[in-house]
Amino acid sequence: DVKVTQSSRYLVKRTGEKVFLECVQDMDHENMFWYRQDPGLGLRLIYFSYDVKMKEKGDIPEGYSVSREKKERFSLILESASTNQTSMYLCASATSGAYTGELFFGEGSRLTVL
Amino acid sequence: KNEVEQSPQNLTAQEGEFITINCSYSVGISALHWLQQHPGGGIVSLFMLSSGKKKHGRLIATINIQEKHSSLHITASHPRDSAVYICALTPKASGSRLTFGEGTQLTVNP
Repeated sequence: DVKVTQSSRYLVKRTGEKVFLECVQDMDHENMFWYRQDPGLGLRLIYFSYDVKMKEKGDIPEGYSVSREKKERFSLILESASTNQTSMYLCASATSGAYTGELFFGEGSRLTVL
Repeated sequence: KNEVEQSPQNLTAQEGEFITINCSYSVGISALHWLQQHPGGGIVSLFMLSSGKKKHGRLIATINIQEKHSSLHITASHPRDSAVYICALTPKASGSRLTFGEGTQLTVNP
């Protein structure tokens, strides 16, 4: 079975802290995504990566950066966490091609910024 | 107007009922996904469609490309089907980006 593993299910951080959210997939997928999910707003794309060291901004990249040094790992970084970044963060991976293949999601990381 | 509209937003059913969730969209697409999210957050991909119909157990997904409409059907619903069901699509011009509907909260009562 394809597995997408997110490093932490629950995190509590303070305003101004640097936060790392890690995501690892084991199926050699080219595409990896970071989304945040908020009530009433659905899933919104923060960043995605279509290959090692390649990244593209999503719809809400402000306040976030990403790193993809190895194909299996895609990290989301909050340089200086703020309270409006309290959210559920979901990582996903998929094969690429003419369009995104079947999606595989991690369990999610619920971040609270105090 | 959102590119993806799901209906209904909330649906309550009795165990055993046949359930339909609808997804309408306004752009040309390469593929459409149906996703299931249980309380606790994890999301599972149910179907990926580019035409026709797919069936997996009690779940059936259909898509009509000309009418820009897809439906997810659940036969003989069960309380364990209670979840949020999300329609997501890959617009033709978007490459790898997906556009998500807001989801349908389904509750199946015993």
